[in-house]
Amino acid sequence: GAVVSQHPSRVICKSGTSVKIECRSLDFQATTMFWYRQFPKKSLMLMATSNEGSKATYEQGVEKDKFLINHASLTLSTLTVTSAHPEDSSFYICSAGNAFGEGDSPLHFGNGTRLTVT
Amino acid sequence: EDQVTQSPEALRLQEGESSSLNCSYTVSGLRGLFWYRQDPGKGPEFLFTLYSAGEEKEKERLKATLTKKESFLHITAPKPEDSATYLCAVQGGSGGYNKLIFGAGTRLAVHP
Repeated sequence: GAVVSQHPSRVICKSGTSVKIECRSLDFQATTMFWYRQFPKKSLMLMATSNEGSKATYEQGVEKDKFLINHASLTLSTLTVTSAHPEDSSFYICSAGNAFGEGDSPLHFGNGTRLTVT
Repeated sequence: EDQVTQSPEALRLQEGESSSLNCSYTVSGLRGLFWYRQDPGKGPEFLFTLYSAGEEKEKERLKATLTKKESFLHITAPKPEDSATYLCAVQGGSGGYNKLIFGAGTRLAVHP
């Protein structure tokens, strides 16, 4: 089945530094990837849609200058949390859709990245 | 605005005690309703897709059903390994093909 790899699984950084999270589709091409944020015991909140070769589309209330998204190829999207602060601590999950929309699930999810900003 | 509400928020069952989880939705032009399982510290794992009212799908102890306003995830004779958070998501006509709106989930705990 389709596999999405997310790295790192956990990261701890100091306030003011930047952190990059990678999301790779391992066995299919993904023209679109999605970045979600999840707070404890809460649902997945869509942050942005990452489009290969073009600018990301951000959801209302998400700061595009803080959460930089790059989708340089059909198999890789990166999320960079810039000048991280403790309130950015969260569980970030990426997902990718099959380029041709095949299969029973429109999205395949990575295993998430637990970000802790101290 | 597309919206998904899941209930209960948390559910505790004894092993073998069957129950159902609810997912109510409002969406403009439902393209699909999806159930996922999420274990702590992991990403969601796909379970089912339902496309139209009246549709049912089964997998081991789980059965998902769909009406025009809600979906149920029935768990028959659950085992402790079924403990997880179950997420419901919808794909509406206003979003892109792969854009999903998630509910807050039901945290299920099955005790031996």
